[in-house]
Amino acid sequence: GAVVSQHPSWVICKSGTSVKIECRSLDFQATTMFWYRQFPKQSLMLMATSNEGSKATYEQGVEKDKFLINHASLTLSTLTVTSAHPEDSSFYICSARRESGNTIYFGEGSWLTVV
Amino acid sequence: QQPVQSPQAVILREGEDAVINCSSSKALYSVHWYRQKHGEAPVFLMILLKGGEQKGHEKISASFNEKKQQSSLYLTASQLSYSGTYFCGIDSDSWGKLQFGAGTQVVVTP
Repeated sequence: GAVVSQHPSWVICKSGTSVKIECRSLDFQATTMFWYRQFPKQSLMLMATSNEGSKATYEQGVEKDKFLINHASLTLSTLTVTSAHPEDSSFYICSARRESGNTIYFGEGSWLTVV
Repeated sequence: QQPVQSPQAVILREGEDAVINCSSSKALYSVHWYRQKHGEAPVFLMILLKGGEQKGHEKISASFNEKKQQSSLYLTASQLSYSGTYFCGIDSDSWGKLQFGAGTQVVVTP
């Protein structure tokens, strides 16, 4: 079964509204989680590193005020797309690494469509 | 920096073999291989850690040459289910932050 769960799996929202996506590690604690974005027919691009109890680290070119990341507990990170626009429509996916191993688990991904 | 994957795409007949390469300009801690089918999340295939190991999963195997900073994924006796886009993800610092290659689209035909 899934070890990293994402919710919602898809969402449609109106332009200008905010959308929150959750990423949960189900049976392990993850002090660090990662958020990726994937446009159609493209690769997964790392957006940010989510750190439990501290600020997220954003990759170059990713607006931190637009993509708010909160990692309030050892099993939950959230990504909020603020004031969403159609160009933010994409597949967003998170990942987490078990502290005890090297395997990185991905969530099921969330399809965001902004209309 | 993104690793470079090649080829971009490959078309195989069922039972044929293929090799997908992934090379990096940075020193690597580990290489992760995933397969993604259209509209779905990537599925983990295998991880290779520095030390030049080789791994396999059924008829899919991979090697990791730490010195050359590259990894190869071998699809042997391909099956229809092998179709999809294969991504290599590289981890340079062991934290789990992956930089992905552009992907290799594999189409296996009957």
